[in-house]
Amino acid sequence: DSGVTQTPKHLITATGQRVTLRCSPRSGDLSVYWYQQSLDQGLQFLIQYYNGEERAKGNILERFSAQQFPDLHSELNLSSLELGDSALYFCASSLGNEQFFGPGTRLTVL
Amino acid sequence: KNEVEQSPQNLTAQEGEFITINCSYSVGISALHWLQQHPGGGIVSLFMLSSGKKKHGRLIATINIQEKHSSLHITASHPRDSAVYICAVRSWVNYGGSQGNLIFGKGTKLSVKP
Repeated sequence: DSGVTQTPKHLITATGQRVTLRCSPRSGDLSVYWYQQSLDQGLQFLIQYYNGEERAKGNILERFSAQQFPDLHSELNLSSLELGDSALYFCASSLGNEQFFGPGTRLTVL
Repeated sequence: KNEVEQSPQNLTAQEGEFITINCSYSVGISALHWLQQHPGGGIVSLFMLSSGKKKHGRLIATINIQEKHSSLHITASHPRDSAVYICAVRSWVNYGGSQGNLIFGKGTKLSVKP
């Protein structure tokens, strides 16, 4: 158990819908990272927050957004969902350079 | 061309065999990570290294910064080692917006037969 929690574990929704994925970092970790893992692309970095502020952006679509709240939990919002957004979404947290991964949310878009 | 290449893509071994998974990268890095992803999907960080060698139990990770290459070795492999092993590098340069963040290889799927 990494200490990072993600909810929900599974999410099934339809194209065009909007969903919110939630991540609670390990106690004391200030950074939260979001990653997408699809079958064809592998793991890809989406976005990083540090202590409530956006720190870095990767290959994140404009339809996706994230935020980190004062209690340091983070949410990833995915809107206008497409079939190709079906993937595993991981968050990770860190205090230093080592990252600890959550169990992931499996999103299926039908 | 991917910035992080792993080989082999798939590996089947008999229990007890010595296993090596290779990772080559083409960007300047500050650190390299080896991750393990179990069939259920969860990801565990095995090693983070920036030079030399690290050992944890039956796992050994080495890195050669000059050659931009790292290896993950598993001694006395066991069926419970069956998983996908992913190499990830923390780049110095701003790559696709991910300066200082991780760039991942495609993974090596290991299956250890009893």
